[in-house]
Order: sequence, then structure tokens, then C-alpha cells
Amino acid sequence: ILNVEQSPQSLHVQEGDSTNFTCSFPSSNFYALHWYRWETAKSPEALFVMTLNGDEKKKGRISATLNTKEGYSYLYIKGSQPEDSATYLCAFSRDTPLVFGKGTRLSVIA
Amino acid sequence: GAGVSQSPSNKVTEKGKDVELRCDPISGHTALYWYRQSLGQGLEFLIYFQGNSAPDKSGLPSDRFSAERTGGSVSTLTIQRTQQEDSAVYLCASSLQAFKDQPQHFGDGTRLSIL
Repeated sequence: ILNVEQSPQSLHVQEGDSTNFTCSFPSSNFYALHWYRWETAKSPEALFVMTLNGDEKKKGRISATLNTKEGYSYLYIKGSQPEDSATYLCAFSRDTPLVFGKGTRLSVIA
Repeated sequence: GAGVSQSPSNKVTEKGKDVELRCDPISGHTALYWYRQSLGQGLEFLIYFQGNSAPDKSGLPSDRFSAERTGGSVSTLTIQRTQQEDSAVYLCASSLQAFKDQPQHFGDGTRLSIL
């Protein structure tokens, strides 16, 4: 059974703080790692799809890195804003459908 | 519409009844996926379609669950003889093709409550 672990489970930060969270996945037979943002009462939104070891992707204040050899990805948010409050999901794929972690719930306090 | 559309948005039904959930993917997306999220759990894969065929049904929890897709477009997920443990948010997603390096586009989900 493939296991994707995300930490922390939840996080509260002040507006303006920078933060990061971790996604751990099996390092063998890697294919792709996805990050999604899921705001309350909305649908999950794709942030990044990463396929290469050492990949770094950026979208505004959000960036992600990937280490396929050791099986982890970091998501960084610089200068958190209240609108960043959401659950951040990572998902791993091999030659199988995506396996999702349980997510990190971020709350940004104004 | 531009996005993935799911209906109904909410469904409350009695245990033992059948329910049908509908997903209308983004036009031109050949791959369609069904997931569910039960309380306190992560997103659980149920089934996916490439065109009208379902290469992987491994995630369907029991033979009470079935899904079909017609015309390479709309899909329905049917749950027969519903049980309380079927209560969850059921999400549908689509992507251009069923390749694992393509982002999936999600609908808003159907919240199913079994009394």
C-alpha cells in the first residue's frame, strides 16, 4: 500500500509570516508529485505537478521543491495572507492513480 | 461551463436507497476520476475513465458501487443500497489525458449524507 504523509496536520500563522510544510512519499518508481490547494466550500485547485528530482516550481508567493531520491517535497508560502487559508494536499503517482495525503490545514490570522 | 460540474451538490437519503451522482467534465478532457473524502480521511481514489472505459476500478469499496461514462463525457457514480459508511464528499476530476504528470481539475463535489 502506497503511503503519502503530510506534516504538520494543521498550522496557524500570523499574516506576513512565511511557512512551509512537508510531503513524504515512497522514493522508488517515482512518476509525479502533485500539490493542490483546497479552500473551504470550493473545489481543489492544482498548484504544481513536479516530475524531476530537484524540480523547483513557483506561483506567486508559493513555491515547491522536490527530492525524489529521498522521497519528499516541501511547499513554501512567503508572507502568508488570510486568503492563503486552505488545506494543502499533495498526491503521488507511480504507474497507478494518484494517492493523496491527508493534507495540511493552514489558517492565516490577520 | 468552463469547469467540472457535479450534481447534486448535496444529497440526503435513507439507508438502503440507491443514489446516483453526476459529473460533467471539462470539454475535451478524456480522463475522468472519482474520489471520495470521508470525515477525517484523505481523498480516496474510487475509479477512473479514459474515454468511456475504466482501466482501474480497484478503488471501488464494494460491489454496491458502480460507475459509467458515456460519449466520452458525462459520468455517473451509482451507489446501491446505501449504508451510513457511504456518507462522504464525492469529488469528480478531469484531465486532458490519463497521464500522471497532468494536473486534475476538480468539481465542487457532492456531499452525501445517509440517515
